[in-house]
Amino acid sequence: LAKTTQPISMDSYEGQEVNITCSHNNIATNDYITWYQQFPSQGPRFIIQGYKTKVTNEVASLFIPADRKSSTLSLPRVSLSDTAVYYCLVGAPTSGTYKYIFGTGTRLKVLA
Amino acid sequence: GAGVSQSPRYKVTKRGQDVALRCDPISGHVSLYWYRQALGQGPEFLTYFNYEAQQDKSGLPNDRFSAERPEGSISTLTIQRTEQRDSAMYRCASSSGSSYNSPLHFGNGTRLTVT
Repeated sequence: LAKTTQPISMDSYEGQEVNITCSHNNIATNDYITWYQQFPSQGPRFIIQGYKTKVTNEVASLFIPADRKSSTLSLPRVSLSDTAVYYCLVGAPTSGTYKYIFGTGTRLKVLA
Repeated sequence: GAGVSQSPRYKVTKRGQDVALRCDPISGHVSLYWYRQALGQGPEFLTYFNYEAQQDKSGLPNDRFSAERPEGSISTLTIQRTEQRDSAMYRCASSSGSSYNSPLHFGNGTRLTVT
């Protein structure tokens, strides 16, 4: 299973862009990269997913370099409500990785 | 539509008692996962079902833990002879499993406290 490594915590100010990088050196060919957001007292919530290059949705962007050994979640103009823990996961059923492993995540704190 | 529903929301039990935690996945979702989450930690994988088949139970801590999904929908996680170290948030997630990139949808969890 591909292991992921993320910074434990990050601080930012409202209105700034936040980039959280995840390392996954052993990613398999069929693995997708998925990011989840978790607020206190809630379950993790899907944010964005990608395989290569760049993916953008209404919430975030995901940048994946050609070697796919890392990925960067970009949150534009964060607000206080973006304070949460962000998890990076790799895997996909077709690669046999049904067991999605969460790491300790990155605890983002947005300051006023 | 309705999301993943877990019950009870909170469960307090005495050491040595058995508990059963229920998960009702999103309708039509074929894959179902159980995770356990300690305070300040990421979710820890317990077991996974595809339809009614338990595909992976490698994360179950010991033989006091078991899970079933007899009709491929609702699942029950059972902990026998509970111990204080079993206290945690237990989370269920489901996915459509219909494509290679189906995201997980989590419920709000069951907070288990063993006294």
